Amino acid sequence: EPEVTQTPSHQVTQMGQEVILRCVPISNHLYFYWYRQILGQKVEFLVSFYNNEISEKSEIFDDQFSVERPDGSNFTLKIRSTKLEDSAMYFCASSGSGFWGPNQPQHFGDGTRLSIL
Amino acid sequence: ELKVEQNPLFLSMQEGKNYTIYCNYSTTSDRLYWYRQDPGKSLESLFVLLSNGAVKQEGRLMASLDTKARLSTLHITAAVHDLSATYFCAVGENYGGSQGNLIFGKGTKLSVKP
Repeated sequence: EPEVTQTPSHQVTQMGQEVILRCVPISNHLYFYWYRQILGQKVEFLVSFYNNEISEKSEIFDDQFSVERPDGSNFTLKIRSTKLEDSAMYFCASSGSGFWGPNQPQHFGDGTRLSIL
Repeated sequence: ELKVEQNPLFLSMQEGKNYTIYCNYSTTSDRLYWYRQDPGKSLESLFVLLSNGAVKQEGRLMASLDTKARLSTLHITAAVHDLSATYFCAVGENYGGSQGNLIFGKGTKLSVKP
């Protein structure tokens, strides 16, 4: 079964450094998302992406965050200057194609655990 | 602003027992999803509920949606240890231009004991 793949699985970064989290969504999916989950807490929406542009973003997704789909397969989340509170598990998700794409279940990757020191 | 509340947040059950997890949400939506998460793992899609009165069953789990009451339930029948996990409900934001963003509840951590 097709999967969403994320790399790296664990990223340790010094505060203030830039970090890029990478995702390869399921190949025929058109809707892409980033979520984060602080340890032991709920999953929080960050941003959705469709047709090569951001569709929606939450309050968490401030100017320090950006997303990009640099080619036909990768979908990246960049944090420009990391803060301690950015430590979390970051999940990439994608959902299907067509008109009902957003209604279809979002398939999640295994996540990248980001640790800011 | 859409808010999603689950209860209970923690549930300790004995094997063989039945129980229901509740998910309430605050604004109109016609898209509700249930996910399972094992410790340190990703989210696995369990159910997609897209209409009022929708009921879906998979094994010992059954999910339903009442859009008028803004309530979904996840019913567990004759629990087994393998069902131990955290269960999240997630509701799709329902406004013009929304591209499927999900708002998650806090999760119900289920522990099934022999």
